[in-house]
Formats: sequence, C-alpha cells, structure tokens
Amino acid sequence: KAGVTQTPRYLIKTRGQQVTLSCSPISGHRSVSWYQQTPGQGLQFLFEYFSETQRNKGNFPGRFSGRQFSNSRSEMNVSTLELGDSALYLCASSLETGYSYEQYFGPGTRLTVT
Amino acid sequence: SQQGEEDPQALSIQEGENATMNCSYKTSINNLQWYRQNSGRGLVHLILIRSNEREKHSGRLRVTLDTSKKSSSLLITASRAADTASYFCATGAGGSYIPTFGRGTSLIVHP
Repeated sequence: KAGVTQTPRYLIKTRGQQVTLSCSPISGHRSVSWYQQTPGQGLQFLFEYFSETQRNKGNFPGRFSGRQFSNSRSEMNVSTLELGDSALYLCASSLETGYSYEQYFGPGTRLTVT
Repeated sequence: SQQGEEDPQALSIQEGENATMNCSYKTSINNLQWYRQNSGRGLVHLILIRSNEREKHSGRLRVTLDTSKKSSSLLITASRAADTASYFCATGAGGSYIPTFGRGTSLIVHP
C-alpha cells in the first residue's frame, strides 16, 4: 500500500496570508490527524477527522481549521499567518484497533512564514 | 500539555553499543507507543505496548513498561549509524484515541 502523502512538501508564505495543506491517508484508513511540530513546543495535536467529521480538537486558535472529504483525504487551512506558525505540519492516518491505535505519518509539510 | 517526557534529551553513542531511552508519564494510560523520526521527516511507528503488558520485543528493540512507576524504556541493542534519529514516546489514555507525544530523545550513533 502507498504511504501517507502530503503536499506540498515545502512552502514559504508571508505574514497575513493563508495556506492550505493536503494529506492523503493510506487506503482504507478513515482517521486523519494533524500535528504541528516546532523545536520549542514539540509535537502538538491540532485535530482529528474521522468519516468527514472532526472528532477531536487540540488547543489551537480558530485560524487553524481542517476538513475531510468522502475519500478520507484531508486538508488543513491556516488563515492570517503569523511568524510563529512556521513549523513542520505532520499528517497521520490510522486504522483503529482497541483503545488507541498506531499512526502512520506522512513526510510533513515544512511551512516557513516570513 | 505533554504527557510523556523522555530522558535523556540527547544521547551520543558508538556503533555497536546499546542505547536506552526512558519515558515517564503522569496519569494512567491504556497503552504506550514509541516512534522514531529521522531529521525533519515524518514519524515511524516502532512498537506499542499495552498497559497489561510488561515487555515487548521487535528485532533489536526491547520495550518495557512499569505502570507502578509510570515509566517505560526503549532499548536498542547493537546500535547502527542508521539508528540516528529522534525517538518519541506517546501515551494513550482514557477515552481518547489521540496519543500524546513527549518531546523526544535525540540519539546520535557514531560509526
């Protein structure tokens, strides 16, 4: 099976702009989670989508939003970019088994805000 | 907030040596996972250990879990330069399906 893919891999944006990142999960995986990784804060959970519904949400401002399509592909959007949004954004898909589940991560999108 | 905290933050060893990383957490968990991340890339799942298990093996990896001490350890035996990466523990607790990640241990294996 093909792994999780994320596009684009690298992105440079200016403060105030908005950005959309895309994630295609492993075939058959219905859960897609998004994480922000920075040197200072580590890996922080943004949100999780399951069957087109946001099922879990982290502690991020409303500028961060996402959605999931019927084919399980997911997008996340960040509006009004700030310098602090510069980070590696990771998407993970999973096949639930029991109380928790293994997550399969994509290579990430490196976002730089100038 | 981070549930798991890895120790040490950084570890530097020679090829062939064993590497041990520890993870401590604060609240009861259902399971604990270890992931590896090569520089600037996505995370790769290594192993999952459930709260009723004490030890698991996968190749050169050995994971232990001590729920009474709320801690886990990851042992990599006979390390290789290719093991150079950051290693994260992630805990799953309560009704949440979302694992909570620690800040990671940076491992450097010198050839």
